[in-house]
Amino acid sequence: AQSVTQLDSHVSVSEGTPVLLRCNYSSSYSPSLFWYVQHPNKGLQLLLKYTSAATLVKGINGFEAEFKKSETSFHLTKPSAHMSDAAEYFCVVASYNFNKFYFGSGTKLNVKP
Amino acid sequence: EAGVTQSPTHLIKTRGQQATLRCSPISGHTSVYWYQQALGLGLQFLLWYDEGEERNRGNFPPRFSGRQFPNYSSELNVNALELEDSALYLCASSRSSGRTDTQYFGPGTRLTVL
Repeated sequence: AQSVTQLDSHVSVSEGTPVLLRCNYSSSYSPSLFWYVQHPNKGLQLLLKYTSAATLVKGINGFEAEFKKSETSFHLTKPSAHMSDAAEYFCVVASYNFNKFYFGSGTKLNVKP
Repeated sequence: EAGVTQSPTHLIKTRGQQATLRCSPISGHTSVYWYQQALGLGLQFLLWYDEGEERNRGNFPPRFSGRQFPNYSSELNVNALELEDSALYLCASSRSSGRTDTQYFGPGTRLTVL
């Protein structure tokens, strides 16, 4: 069975400081992992995905995530937060045949000026 | 390229009624996924359609059903609405069901059951 756990329901950072959103996954096979962002009143947007290629994945808007098999983690980072990064972020693992996507419970990122 | 579109944006129904939600995938995409995003429950997988057939469904009762049309658009039907069906319903599409294909999401339909 596959699942993801997002360790923080809320994260608050100051503008210009680093962002770390934590995600741990459980999977019985080599997983495909995604991070999505959901801005208020907008749909989900893909930030980045990992599908067994390079373990450090670069996404849009300066975000990146590192797949660490030994730690079963796929944490999302950004060196410097921007006000426009305030949103809810979802970590996702796909089933083996990609017919089900398992979403984490989400992390709300607040960026203070 | 137009994104995934969903209609209506908002839908208000009363208990026991039926709701129909619609989704148009990105051109060239054959797979459509439905999700429910309820307050406090996060995003939960509902249904997956590919090439006109239901391929998989999540842990939802049979009153949640749908279909995919020859043009790959899809409908989600919820019968005998209950208060707890109030949620944002998201549709996503992908090019195929392959392991590397990404899902692209629509803006959602907010269903309110009174």
